[in-house]
Amino acid sequence: KNEVEQSPQNLTAQEGEFITINCSYSVGISALHWLQQHPGGGIVSLFMLSSGKKKHGRLIATINIQEKHSSLHITASHPRDSAVYICAVKTSGSRLTFGEGTQLTVNP
Amino acid sequence: DTEVTQTPKHLVMGMTNKKSLKCEQHMGHRAMYWYKQKAKKPPELMFVYSYEKLSINESVPSRFSPECPNSSLLNLHLHALQPEDSALYLCASSQPRDRFYGYTFGSGTRLTVV
Repeated sequence: KNEVEQSPQNLTAQEGEFITINCSYSVGISALHWLQQHPGGGIVSLFMLSSGKKKHGRLIATINIQEKHSSLHITASHPRDSAVYICAVKTSGSRLTFGEGTQLTVNP
Repeated sequence: DTEVTQTPKHLVMGMTNKKSLKCEQHMGHRAMYWYKQKAKKPPELMFVYSYEKLSINESVPSRFSPECPNSSLLNLHLHALQPEDSALYLCASSQPRDRFYGYTFGSGTRLTVV
């Protein structure tokens, strides 16, 4: 079992829909990252969370430390949101442990 | 400057070639990382430099040789690579010993070994 599990693996939505991607982890962490990667591209850090909730534009990220669970929400989804979304946790030292990613496709 | 800059963006090399990947940041970050990412897989950590010293080597073959000449620059020297080494190579930076500090990733070098 991976230390970081994401669901779903693939997600297809229509433009305007509300989207949720989930991440569960089984290790002690100091922080959790949500990352975005467009095809063939580099990685953009969307959020870093150690507790509670953060919001940036149409993106909302929440974390429940007791449940070892985090969610990334996208409101009013748009085709330009199509990308791979990766959950990564910071454990000991400088090491990041990545989930397998969620491929999101938003159709117009 | 809030970016990690990687050059070149694309590289095609033969198995007998020697080439280098370059990564640069001017955010004052003292930890720098090399990751390898195969298609549809998450990044895999290769090396970590902390305060210009190699702190983690994830049992990477010696045909990959990292170098950190100063606090802003990280190189990855490549020699005698194999076709299976073709991948996206990502550089990242952060502050070491600050468990709440985030990471900044570069846009990667797409390497093809022929």
